[in-house]
Amino acid sequence: GAVVSQHPSWVICKSGTSVKIECRSLDFQATTMFWYRQFPKQSLMLMATSNEGSKATYEQGVEKDKFLINHASLTLSTLTVTSAHPEDSSFYICSASEEVAGSYEQYFGPGTRLTVT
Amino acid sequence: GQNIDQPTEMTATEGAIVQINCTYQTSGFNGLFWYQQHAGEAPTFLSYNVLDGLEEKGRFSSFLSRSKGYSYLLLKELQMKDSASYLCAVKDSNYQLIWGAGTKLIIKP
Repeated sequence: GAVVSQHPSWVICKSGTSVKIECRSLDFQATTMFWYRQFPKQSLMLMATSNEGSKATYEQGVEKDKFLINHASLTLSTLTVTSAHPEDSSFYICSASEEVAGSYEQYFGPGTRLTVT
Repeated sequence: GQNIDQPTEMTATEGAIVQINCTYQTSGFNGLFWYQQHAGEAPTFLSYNVLDGLEEKGRFSSFLSRSKGYSYLLLKELQMKDSASYLCAVKDSNYQLIWGAGTKLIIKP
């Protein structure tokens, strides 16, 4: 099956610094990649949708200048949390979409746990 | 607005059967997904329904009624490892996934 990797799996950073999270589709070309955030005991919240070579589409309430998304290729997308603050501490999950029989199935990465101190 | 409803929490006994319901109101419909998510992990795909009826996959089955805006996930022969959150998600007319809040399933011996 399709595999999506994320790196790092967890990161601790100081307030005010930036953190980059990578999302890779390992054995397929992802037409679209999605970034989600999940706070403890809450559901997934879509942050942005990105297509290779074009600007990401951000959900309402998500600051695009704070959460920089670069979709450099059909197998790689990065999320950079700039000037991180403790309230940005969360579980960040990416997913990659591949068209299968007309259904754009989403495959999730293992997630990255970010703690900002 | 768009809305997905599912119970917050359910409890079942090991070896039994449990049905997790999901009702949805979305702008358009392009398929319904069920995902399993263990605590601290990313969701994993369980099933996909786009036509009415029952899809069976091993111990898990998923049912869809588009006219009623209703789906359920049926888990048979429950095992302790099935303790997890189960997320219902609907793809709307823009092919965007709308997520339910998830149902936390607790399995007791």
